Amino acid sequence: GDSVTQMEGPVTLSEEAFLTINCTYTATGYPSLFWYVQYPGEGLQLLLKATKADDKGSNKGFEATYRKETTSFHLEKGSVQVSDSAVYFCALSENGADGLTFGKGTHLIIQP
Amino acid sequence: KAGVTQTPRYLIKTRGQQVTLSCSPISGHRSVSWYQQTPGQGLQFLFEYFSETQRNKGNFPGRFSGRQFSNSRSEMNVSTLELGDSALYLCASSLGSGGDYGYTFGSGTRLTVV
Repeated sequence: GDSVTQMEGPVTLSEEAFLTINCTYTATGYPSLFWYVQYPGEGLQLLLKATKADDKGSNKGFEATYRKETTSFHLEKGSVQVSDSAVYFCALSENGADGLTFGKGTHLIIQP
Repeated sequence: KAGVTQTPRYLIKTRGQQVTLSCSPISGHRSVSWYQQTPGQGLQFLFEYFSETQRNKGNFPGRFSGRQFSNSRSEMNVSTLELGDSALYLCASSLGSGGDYGYTFGSGTRLTVV
């Protein structure tokens, strides 16, 4: 079945550092790929998405490129802020009826 | 516009009881899906409804059920509660069924079974 693998962390960085959170996936077809963010005590917020190979999703300074050849969708941000501290989930949807398949989540801590 | 609304936010139930959780999707969204989030298993797909029909169900026992009404509001029910059912239950709505539409999540219902 489909699966998503991402580093679980916690990942601790200093403010203004460069961020990369790796995400790789296994799917039988051509899924849509997502990054969601969860702040403490809240639900999930869609951060960005890409629906086909070589698409780049971007939002709030975060970017991720759909790499079919390496089955990856790594999340990057050039300069993180304390307010970026949260849990980040990589997810895929291959068939909408089967819902989203999530990675375990990466806990990101940004120190001032 | 209003987001996805889940009620109640918190719930405490006793083993063996049953519980019903409610989800009101974004206006115009016809698809509602449910997820269970636990520290050990992470986020797991429960089921998805589209136009009042259950399209698929995740790997959960029959104690977990749901339904969707004509106004797209959805409920999920868990019968004969077990301690392991303690989790954050998240509802997501979408314009259509499929990843291209994107999913908007509610804040969740935190269920504690004692």
